[in-house]
Amino acid sequence: QKEVEQDPGPLSVPEGAIVSLNCTYSNSAFQYFMWYRQYSRKGPELLMYTYSSGNKEDGRFTAQVDKSSKYISLFIRDSQPSDSATYLCAMSGTGSARQLTFGSGTQLTVLP
Amino acid sequence: NAGVTQTPKFRILKIGQSMTLQCTQDMNHNYMYWYRQDPGMGLKLIYYSVGAGITDKGEVPNGYNVSRSTTEDFPLRLELAAPSQTSVYFCASILTAPSSYNEQFFGPGTRLTVL
Repeated sequence: QKEVEQDPGPLSVPEGAIVSLNCTYSNSAFQYFMWYRQYSRKGPELLMYTYSSGNKEDGRFTAQVDKSSKYISLFIRDSQPSDSATYLCAMSGTGSARQLTFGSGTQLTVLP
Repeated sequence: NAGVTQTPKFRILKIGQSMTLQCTQDMNHNYMYWYRQDPGMGLKLIYYSVGAGITDKGEVPNGYNVSRSTTEDFPLRLELAAPSQTSVYFCASILTAPSSYNEQFFGPGTRLTVL
């Protein structure tokens, strides 16, 4: 079993739709939960991060963490064609090396 | 600041050849990382460094070597290239602080093909 599982998609939605992206994990030591966005042929860039359980909102993006279920989600409201990218969830514990464990990524296409 | 830079952008190697992937950051970050990303897969950690002179293995270190002689540079060495090392390689860095989260900044990647 992988430490982090993510549905690879691909996911295709019409412009304006609400998008839900999800990851599950098995390591109880994870405390930091991140979502990275990766455009084609680019490096990942941090979209949002959450510490421990709870919700965090930033504009059209909402990140949710449920540590009891070991489940994290990213919601995108009013999706735009510019949101088309691969979304990677990532997690880390509080260890000194701050290593990240990544999901496999979900490829999202928002159709105009 | 240029952030994290990687060279080359693309490279084709023959089996058995060697090469060094360069990574430089100008943000005075202490931690640096090398990842590889295979198609449809997430990023897997190859090696990391928590400071100059200190390196450690990640999840997939076989076939690679690293060094960290300065804070800015973290080169990745492939000694005997194999087709299984065909991948996109990303370097990342972070300025750590105790009891807080700090973003890992990624470079643009190096696309390597081994034939």
